[in-house]
Amino acid sequence: GAVVSQHPSRVICKSGTSVKIECRSLDFQATTMFWYRQFPKQSLMLMATSNEGSKATYEQGVEKDKFLINHASLTLSTLTVTSAHPEDSSFYICSALGQNYNEQFFGPGTRLTVL
Amino acid sequence: GQNIDQPTEMTATEGAIVQINCTYQTSGFNGLFWYQQHAGEAPTFLSYNVLDGLEEKGRFSSFLSRSKGYSYLLLKELQMKDSASYLCAVQDSNYQLIWGAGTKLIIKP
Repeated sequence: GAVVSQHPSRVICKSGTSVKIECRSLDFQATTMFWYRQFPKQSLMLMATSNEGSKATYEQGVEKDKFLINHASLTLSTLTVTSAHPEDSSFYICSALGQNYNEQFFGPGTRLTVL
Repeated sequence: GQNIDQPTEMTATEGAIVQINCTYQTSGFNGLFWYQQHAGEAPTFLSYNVLDGLEEKGRFSSFLSRSKGYSYLLLKELQMKDSASYLCAVQDSNYQLIWGAGTKLIIKP
């Protein structure tokens, strides 16, 4: 199946700093990527839909100025957590919509810990 | 509203069979997915159903009834490594996935 990578896999940062997470589709072009957040023992929560060349669509309750999403190419979307706080500590997972639109291919996830 | 229900937790014995049910009410339907997720890892794809009926793939099978808004995942010959959370997700008309809360499956020897 298609491969999606995420970088970094783990990051620990101080409160108030910004963290960038990259999501890449390695062997296919993805016009649409999704960013999820997962808190311990909870299901995945969609944060935003990222479309190449246009602004991301954010889910209700997700601050677009805090979680900056850039989808500048067909193989790369980035999520920047600005001025991170301890409550932003979570598992962030991206996925890319396959060319047949009937499957999402998930990245391995990024564990963010904000001290 | 949109709603996906699945049991919170199930326990089964190694070598046995377990069925995890999922019921859904969504606006638009472009297929139903089952994913397996081990703790601390991203979900991995198990199955996709868009038409009614049973899809079999090795030890795993998935069934869909669109008229009933119902699906199940059947796991046979359970192995200890099958201990994980199993997530049911429906793809809506915008191709977004609407997730169930997941079923934690505990396999006992």
